[in-house]
Amino acid sequence: QVHLVQSGPEVKKPGASVKVSCKASGYSFIIYGIIWVRQAPGRGLEWIGWISTHNGSPNYDQQFHGRVTLTADTSTTTAHMELRSLRYDDTATYFCARALVGGGLDYWGQGTLVTVSS
Amino acid sequence: SYVLTQSPSVSVAPGRTARITCMGNNIGTKSVHWYQQKPGQAPLLVISYDSDRPSGIPERFSGSNSGNTATLSIVRVEAGDEADYYCQVWHTSSNVIFGGGTKLTV
Repeated sequence: QVHLVQSGPEVKKPGASVKVSCKASGYSFIIYGIIWVRQAPGRGLEWIGWISTHNGSPNYDQQFHGRVTLTADTSTTTAHMELRSLRYDDTATYFCARALVGGGLDYWGQGTLVTVSS
Repeated sequence: SYVLTQSPSVSVAPGRTARITCMGNNIGTKSVHWYQQKPGQAPLLVISYDSDRPSGIPERFSGSNSGNTATLSIVRVEAGDEADYYCQVWHTSSNVIFGGGTKLTV
């Protein structure tokens, strides 16, 4: 079975960085890209970026450019999202999901709550 | 950038048909994917490529896409269908766009 298992909740101070992991299993890791999405409390889904697990090439939403880095480690079938210079409005649940380019996000991680608080 | 517009809420009686729309410029030329999200859960893909149902999704769920509007239809709505629904497309082959979401109340 396909599983995407994310790391646990994080509490960070403003200005700090957070790194969330997404461990994939049950399928060939390099065939599907990994997409990162976040959802602030009571809000909708917001795309952060995606990474090709085939060649490691990332694409980021313009609003996160310069603050986020996506990586994928094929040896451990784990993707990571690092978000820097955290602000209070970065408080959200962060999800990873897999997809083929152009396709639907068919499997999702359970989500990781990141709380930014002083 | 490309924008997908959804009505914030739709209300339907049990057993009736719910239609949730997603509007975007020439969205009919793109593949639209739909997600159901219940409180505290990750989104669930319910329709892919405009009208394909992933394994395990009831036949009550269907989708269509033409012109500037994509539609998710749920026939014989049940209480368990109450959730937020999001449409999604890929824009310029590298960017993922979500609609703002529609809260379905049964």
